[in-house]
Amino acid sequence: QMQLQESGPGLVKPSQTLSLTCSVSGGSISSGSYYWSWIRQPGGKGLEWLGRVHTTGRPIMYSPSLESRLTISIDSSKNQFSLEMTSVTSTDSAMYYCVRERLGAENWFDPWGQGTLVTVSA
Amino acid sequence: QSVLTQPASVSGSPGQSVTISCTGSRNDIGAYDTVSWYQQYPGKAPRLMIYDVDFRPSGISSRFSGSKSGSTAFLTISGLQAEDEADYFCASYIKSSTLYVFASGTKVTVL
Repeated sequence: QMQLQESGPGLVKPSQTLSLTCSVSGGSISSGSYYWSWIRQPGGKGLEWLGRVHTTGRPIMYSPSLESRLTISIDSSKNQFSLEMTSVTSTDSAMYYCVRERLGAENWFDPWGQGTLVTVSA
Repeated sequence: QSVLTQPASVSGSPGQSVTISCTGSRNDIGAYDTVSWYQQYPGKAPRLMIYDVDFRPSGISSRFSGSKSGSTAFLTISGLQAEDEADYFCASYIKSSTLYVFASGTKVTVL
C-alpha cells in the first residue's frame, strides 16, 4: 500500500524559503502515469492546490497565483518529490499535503500524506 | 479562482441516508465530470471516496455514491454508520486551466 510522508521545518521566518519533501513508500514514484502534487490548507479554510509534477519530471504545472514563488521537483532515485516556496509570509502558514494525482482518463487525488504544519513567524 | 460551496454540516441517525451537495459553476463542476469526494477524520489524511462524479475506488463501501446535476454534485451516504462521522469535501477541475478547486467541507454527524 503506497504511503506518502511530508517532511520539513515546522517554522519558517517571513521572507525566507520554505522547503518540503515528500517521501513515497510502498511503490515507485516512477511507475505509471501519475502526477505528484502539493496541496495546502490554512487553518479553518479550504484546500488550495499548489502544483504538480509528472512522474517523468515534465510537465510541471503551478497555480497561477503562486507560480512565481514555487518550484516543484522530483527525485526518482530517492523516491521523493519536493516543494520550494520563496518569500513566504504569514498567509503561507498552513497544513501542507503531498498527494498522488491522476489526471486525464481518471481524475483523483490518492493517497494523501498526513500533512505537515508550517507556521511562518519571526 | 472558482470556489465550491458545501453545507457546513449535515446529520442523520444510524441507518438513514444523508446527501451532501457541492455547488460550483459552469467553469468547474458544470464543465467536466471530474468531481471527486474525500473523507477526512480529525488529524488524519484525506481518503478518496468517489472520483469522476460517480466512480468508487476499490475498497470503498457501496453505501457511498456520487451524482451530478448541472453545476452541483452530490455525495450520498446510505445506511449511515457511526464510522461515517467525519468531514467530507469535494474537488473539481477548472475549465481551461491547470487548477483544481476544493470546497471547505461538510461535517457529517451521526446522531
